[in-house]
Amino acid sequence: SAVISQKPSRDICQRGTSLTIQCQVDSQVTMMFWYRQQPGQSLTLIATANQGSEATYESGFVIDKFPISRPNLTFSTLTVSNMSPEDSSIYLCSVRVSGANVLTFGAGSRLTVL
Amino acid sequence: EDQVTQSPEALRLQEGESSSLNCSYTVSGLRGLFWYRQDPGKGPEFLFTLYSAGEEKEKERLKATLTKKESFLHITAPKPEDSATYLCAVYNTDKLIFGTGTRLQVFP
Repeated sequence: SAVISQKPSRDICQRGTSLTIQCQVDSQVTMMFWYRQQPGQSLTLIATANQGSEATYESGFVIDKFPISRPNLTFSTLTVSNMSPEDSSIYLCSVRVSGANVLTFGAGSRLTVL
Repeated sequence: EDQVTQSPEALRLQEGESSSLNCSYTVSGLRGLFWYRQDPGKGPEFLFTLYSAGEEKEKERLKATLTKKESFLHITAPKPEDSATYLCAVYNTDKLIFGTGTRLQVFP
């Protein structure tokens, strides 16, 4: 299965600032997914990032707030823009194992917004 | 609306005390039910996929079963290292929908 590295693993940010999370995969993958895991909540899909096309956002998530880049088949970034305390969460990158519906996840990036 | 509900929210077991975790789901077009394990500070780790009612899968002390409306994760004679949050997810036509998880603590 793929190995996923996420940076940063955690950060404390000030209200109104933006933070970019990086996701690096050790193999080429077509589809990458960004999830949010808020305290006590289930994992919620933010968007699907396909190489060479615009990311597809789920209901309740917009590109201006969560811009995503996908420059190649092994890398993606998620930016959390104009952060508020409600954005405090764990953000997870995941990829689909080729030929199956199983998702492999990174360790996540824990954001705390003050 | 597609939905996944897990119970209990938290479970405390003595080492060796077997139990079951429940995952109830409603989904328009099930293309698989998944169990993941998540340890603190880590991303979810895949355990099992079940595709049809009656299917069962086992891995060490864990056994997952599936009916048309729910899945159970049976833990037989658990050990402290089984302590984690167990997540259930269903795959509908295009994405995984997760439950909120069951936080399991096993005490020696």
